[in-house]
Amino acid sequence: QSALTQPPSASGSPGQSVTISCTGTSSDVGGYNHVSWYQQHPGEAPKLIIYEVSKRPSGVPDRFSGSKSGNTASLTVSGLQAEDEADFYCSSYAGSNNFWVFGGGTKLTVL
Amino acid sequence: EVQLVDSGGGLVQPGGSLRLSCAVSGFTFSKHWMGWVRQAPGKGLEWVANIKQDGSEEEYVDSVRGRFTISRDNAKNSLYLQMNGLRAEDTAVYYCARNSDWSFAYWGQGTLVTVSS
Repeated sequence: QSALTQPPSASGSPGQSVTISCTGTSSDVGGYNHVSWYQQHPGEAPKLIIYEVSKRPSGVPDRFSGSKSGNTASLTVSGLQAEDEADFYCSSYAGSNNFWVFGGGTKLTVL
Repeated sequence: EVQLVDSGGGLVQPGGSLRLSCAVSGFTFSKHWMGWVRQAPGKGLEWVANIKQDGSEEEYVDSVRGRFTISRDNAKNSLYLQMNGLRAEDTAVYYCARNSDWSFAYWGQGTLVTVSS
């Protein structure tokens, strides 16, 4: 069982928006602004798309946005495109005992 | 261009050992924490270990502490993971990753470790 809880699946039609949640505790998501999100296409390595809750690395489209409220972080993908279909993982720093934790992943389907 | 190239995976018997390597280029290796993240077949991501820029601090997930050792050679721009006492549950693709801004900013392509008799 993963430390962070994500819904196993999410879906939306092209052009729509979809939000994926990531629920942790006050020891990880709620305790630090060190939440990151990764996109992984089949057979490929994960790619960082959001860091420090809401910041986007250079080259990541602004259709991807992140936020956090309490112990839950969220990733929103706006203007869905076919190439957004992938697995998405959240991660959080969890302090000097557990260090880094990941969510179980959410499979995003573009209908 | 930032590049991380993982190698060293393979088939090993339970109880055996394996050493993974990660060769990096395109950035100043000695300025970054580095880590290993694994992914069991069909499963999610799991952080394994991290190491400080100068190698003076190491962090491990509980399930591998005492069996795995992370190390680095800044002169060779290389990261390593020595895995001893391997178990079936260690079977996974292992990715090396560069830490930046409290995230895993860049990833290698991964190397598959299979523990089976």
